[in-house]
Amino acid sequence: QLQLQESGPGLVKPSETLSLTCTVSGGSITSSIHYWGWIRQPPGKGLEWIGSMFYSGTTHYNASLKSRLTMSVDTSKNQFSLKLTSVTAADTAAYYCARQWRGYFDNWGQGILVIVSS
Amino acid sequence: EIVLTQSPATLSLSPGERATLSCRASESASSYVAWYQQKPGQAPRLLIYDSSHRETGVPARFSGSGSGTDFTLTISSLEPEDFAVYFCQQRHRWPPLTFGGGTKVEI
Repeated sequence: QLQLQESGPGLVKPSETLSLTCTVSGGSITSSIHYWGWIRQPPGKGLEWIGSMFYSGTTHYNASLKSRLTMSVDTSKNQFSLKLTSVTAADTAAYYCARQWRGYFDNWGQGILVIVSS
Repeated sequence: EIVLTQSPATLSLSPGERATLSCRASESASSYVAWYQQKPGQAPRLLIYDSSHRETGVPARFSGSGSGTDFTLTISSLEPEDFAVYFCQQRHRWPPLTFGGGTKVEI
């Protein structure tokens, strides 16, 4: 059974870099039919797609975040990661990693709440 | 980018009643729309993909329909565990993948 687990700091200072990792178990990140994505959800609000990547390194980013966003993959650890620079309070959200199949998210991590505050 | 607008924002119903949730796209999304259910404190769960295909394990009381710009999620007879927030999402033109703002189904 596929499982995804987000990890990283729950508190980040304004202007610093938010770094999160998603560890995939019960399946391989080198699947040829899946992308791996990040989605976030500010408290009490809706879902926002952040970006998606293929294990080969191909990435697709939300244009609104592209200048601050880097996604990467470590196939040896079956992990993929997100880095978001110059964060502000507007980046406070629950961050989810998920497996993307045909453009839909069919398996999700439990999510991690990241608060941007000094 | 395809903008998805969900209505109503809140749907107040009782167990056993039928729920009809709407998702309207700003331009054609073909049939490439999914529906997710999210309960408090949990990640979203994929219910329906490609407008009308139920994900494995999803009860038959959930059904989806629509194409082009108008999509509907129907819950034929609400069970207590169905009270949640529902989001639609399109993958027809991506990036970006976009979500609707959500509909809360409450008692």
